[in-house]
Amino acid sequence: KNEVEQSPQNLTAQEGEFITINCSYSVGISALHWLQQHPGGGIVSLFMLSSGKKKHGRLIATINIQEKHSSLHITASHPRDSAVYICAVGGSNYKLTFGKGTLLTVNP
Amino acid sequence: DTGVSQNPRHKITKRGQNVTFRCDPISEHNRLYWYRQTLGQGPEFLTYFQNEAQLEKSRLLSDRFSAERPKGSFSTLEIQRTEQGDSAMYLCASSFTYSDGAFFGQGTRLTVV
Repeated sequence: KNEVEQSPQNLTAQEGEFITINCSYSVGISALHWLQQHPGGGIVSLFMLSSGKKKHGRLIATINIQEKHSSLHITASHPRDSAVYICAVGGSNYKLTFGKGTLLTVNP
Repeated sequence: DTGVSQNPRHKITKRGQNVTFRCDPISEHNRLYWYRQTLGQGPEFLTYFQNEAQLEKSRLLSDRFSAERPKGSFSTLEIQRTEQGDSAMYLCASSFTYSDGAFFGQGTRLTVV
C-alpha cells in the first residue's frame, strides 16, 4: 500500500464545475503539499499545509491531521486548470513522499 | 533570477553511456533536491543537499548515480553506464527554508535506448 493515496486517478469535468481531489496518507508528517504538473514536466507548488485551510484564487486546500486526509478544491474550473495534481507529504525537509497524481481534464 | 533551471531539457542516450544533468537553483536557496519521476508515477526522492553537503541519499540512488553540489551553488547528477530502467524525468527543486516552500525546475527527461 502506498503511503500517499490520491483519488480519483483521472477526472474529467466541464468548464465551470466544482472539482475535488482527495489525498490520504499513512505516515506522520510535518506538512502536506499540493503540486501542479503540466505536460512537459514542470512542477508548480500550489500549497503547503500543516493544518486547517488555505485559499489562493479559485483553489482551496484543506487538511485534517487527525484523519490524515487532505482535499484540493477548484471552483469554477477552467480548461487551463487541466494538469496533473500531485499530493506529497514530508517531514522537516523536502524529502517528500508523493502520490501518483490525479489527471484533471477540464473541457470547454 | 527566473527560477530553478535544469539542463538539458531532454537527453537521449544509448544504453551504457554516461550522462550528466545540471540544476541551477534560485540563487539564495541553500537547499537543493533531486527527484526522479517515471511514467505514470509520482516523483521519488533521490538526494538532498544543504549548501555543498549531501545530507541524504535514497536507496534508489545506486552506485551508478552520483550527485554533487560544489560550492553550494549548482548541482550535477551523473548516471554512469545507463540502463533502460533509468529512463525517467529527473526533477530538481530548491528552497531557502522549509516553510518558504520549494521551487521546482522543468526537469530533464532522459530516454535510454
